[in-house]
Amino acid sequence: AQSVTQLDSHVSVSEGTPVLLRCNYSSSYSPSLFWYVQHPNKGLQLLLKYTSAATLVKGINGFEAEFKKSETSFHLTKPSAHMSDAAEYFCVVSDPNTGNQFYFGTGTSLTVIP
Amino acid sequence: ETGVTQTPRHLVMGMTNKKSLKCEQHLGHNAMYWYKQSAKKPLELMFVYNFKEQTENNSVPSRFSPECPNSSHLFLHLHTLQPEDSALYLCASSPSRRPRYGYTFGSGTRLTVV
Repeated sequence: AQSVTQLDSHVSVSEGTPVLLRCNYSSSYSPSLFWYVQHPNKGLQLLLKYTSAATLVKGINGFEAEFKKSETSFHLTKPSAHMSDAAEYFCVVSDPNTGNQFYFGTGTSLTVIP
Repeated sequence: ETGVTQTPRHLVMGMTNKKSLKCEQHLGHNAMYWYKQSAKKPLELMFVYNFKEQTENNSVPSRFSPECPNSSHLFLHLHTLQPEDSALYLCASSPSRRPRYGYTFGSGTRLTVV
């Protein structure tokens, strides 16, 4: 069975400081992993994805995530937060071998303080 | 815009009404999805269509009736809904049913049942 846990429901950072959004997964197979961002009243936008290539994945808007199989983690980071980063972030896991559905985490709300 | 367009953006309906949600994509994708996003809950997959054929129905009540006339259009017909059906309904598409490509989401329809 697959599941994904976002360890923080809410994260607050000051503008210009680093961002860390944590995600752990459980999967019986080598997973595909994704981070999506949702701004208010918008749909979900793909930030980045890991699909068994390089373990450090770079995404849009300066975000990146590192796949650590030994820790079953896929944490999202950004060196310097911008006000426009304030949004809801979703970690998603899927099993590419069976083509099954996505499993979404419950989301982390990021607040950026001026 | 992501390339997946949902209309209307907002909908308020009574429990005895019949209404429809529309989703349209011209990305050349062959798979389309309906998701329900309720507050404080993970996204719930409702229906999956692949090449116009329904491939998944996640035990969705019959008061939700999907329709996929072609690979570019997806509808969700609503009738005799309950207040607990109030949520953001998201449509998504992907090139194929394999998750390694990720999904492209629309901006959603905010549904309120009164």
